[in-house]
Amino acid sequence: GAVVSQHPSWVICKSGTSVKIECRSLDFQATTMFWYRQFPKQSLMLMATSNEGSKATYEQGVEKDKFLINHASLTLSTLTVTSAHPEDSSFYICSARSPGSGANVLTFGAGSRLTVL
Amino acid sequence: AQSVTQLDSHVSVSEGTPVLLRCNYSSSYSPSLFWYVQHPNKGLQLLLKYTSAATLVKGINGFEAEFKKSETSFHLTKPSAHMSDAAEYFCVVIFSGGYQKVTFGTGTKLQVIP
Repeated sequence: GAVVSQHPSWVICKSGTSVKIECRSLDFQATTMFWYRQFPKQSLMLMATSNEGSKATYEQGVEKDKFLINHASLTLSTLTVTSAHPEDSSFYICSARSPGSGANVLTFGAGSRLTVL
Repeated sequence: AQSVTQLDSHVSVSEGTPVLLRCNYSSSYSPSLFWYVQHPNKGLQLLLKYTSAATLVKGINGFEAEFKKSETSFHLTKPSAHMSDAAEYFCVVIFSGGYQKVTFGTGTKLQVIP
């Protein structure tokens, strides 16, 4: 079946630094990927829709200069948290629509836990 | 407005007893409905999906859900809970229409008591 891989799964960084999280579709091409943020004991919040070859579409309230999304190829989207601060600590998850499903089935990555010191 | 409601934030059952996790939606359009499970510090795994075919949908690990249009519900059930079922469960709806926005329920944490 379709597999989405996220890397790194855990990352700790100092305040003020930038962190890049990768989301790869391993055995299919994904023209659209989605980035979510999950706060402890809460549901997933859609941050942005990543479109291959074009600018990402950000949800209301998400700072596009803070959370840079690049979808450079049909199998890779990256989320860069710039000038990270402790309040950016969270669980970030990506997903992609599985091909041929005809039902908009989303395949999720395993998530990346970011801790900003 | 389109929305998804998971009525219970926490559900606790004894091992071997039935599980019922409730999900209701509101939409002017025909939705695609999904249940996903998330174990601690893990990503989401698809349990089952409804896409306008059979209203009773069977998924993995013995879970099933029934789409009831008249009640706008898509409740998740399992006849007998296992300890390994303890996790967070999300009802997810994709509303058909121009944008096909994905909407997550707030999640239900299932606790299984030995």
